[in-house]
Amino acid sequence: GAVVSQHPSWVICKSGTSVKIECRSLDFQATTMFWYRQFPKQSLMLMATSNEGSKATYEQGVEKDKFLINHASLTLSTLTVTSAHPEDSSFYICSASKRGGRVETQYFGPGTRLLVL
Amino acid sequence: AQTVTQSQPEMSVQEAETVTLSCTYDTSESDYYLFWYKQPPSRQMILVIRQEAYKQQNATENRFSVNFQKAAKSFSLKISDSQLGDAAMYFCAYSTSGTYKYIFGTGTRLKVLA
Repeated sequence: GAVVSQHPSWVICKSGTSVKIECRSLDFQATTMFWYRQFPKQSLMLMATSNEGSKATYEQGVEKDKFLINHASLTLSTLTVTSAHPEDSSFYICSASKRGGRVETQYFGPGTRLLVL
Repeated sequence: AQTVTQSQPEMSVQEAETVTLSCTYDTSESDYYLFWYKQPPSRQMILVIRQEAYKQQNATENRFSVNFQKAAKSFSLKISDSQLGDAAMYFCAYSTSGTYKYIFGTGTRLKVLA
């Protein structure tokens, strides 16, 4: 199997607070994990690529000081939204990459809905 | 730069019928992978099928199959015997061999009519 969990599934917070989202690969080790953001009725927007033991690589336009990523082990990556504001409200999805033969396939977590008041 | 295009924002199919979702892509690479993911209302992304570009044979997973036309850079998904549970957003994705990043299309919303 290739199961990825994400916690929490829902979070509501006040403006100015920080929120941490965890992404875990439950039955495989993932050297690489990804963080996406998805707005309603839109496609997934890649925010950053997270590699175990090294600094994350952020996509253009994504503030690395705003969205802190830590990939401390082969099964866990975390995304911290620092000093969250209402415009950060969104659906955040992580994925973990697993090799099968020659193919690296991404398996996705169930997502986290963030609402900043 | 690679791009993925899904030209059908929405499609409908009658239950038990067959539907084909279109995906085209642009790349100068010769070794790459293509994927179809399903995102139901729960918003959990689920892998439907994948295709390795170097394989000429079209991938098949039960009721799901692809028509991979490498020269035309086309990767359509055929769903046979459509079921109500197939209703979802379907995303086509591209990945160049050696990188793990995906490029997603804009998605096609599939409605299944009872």
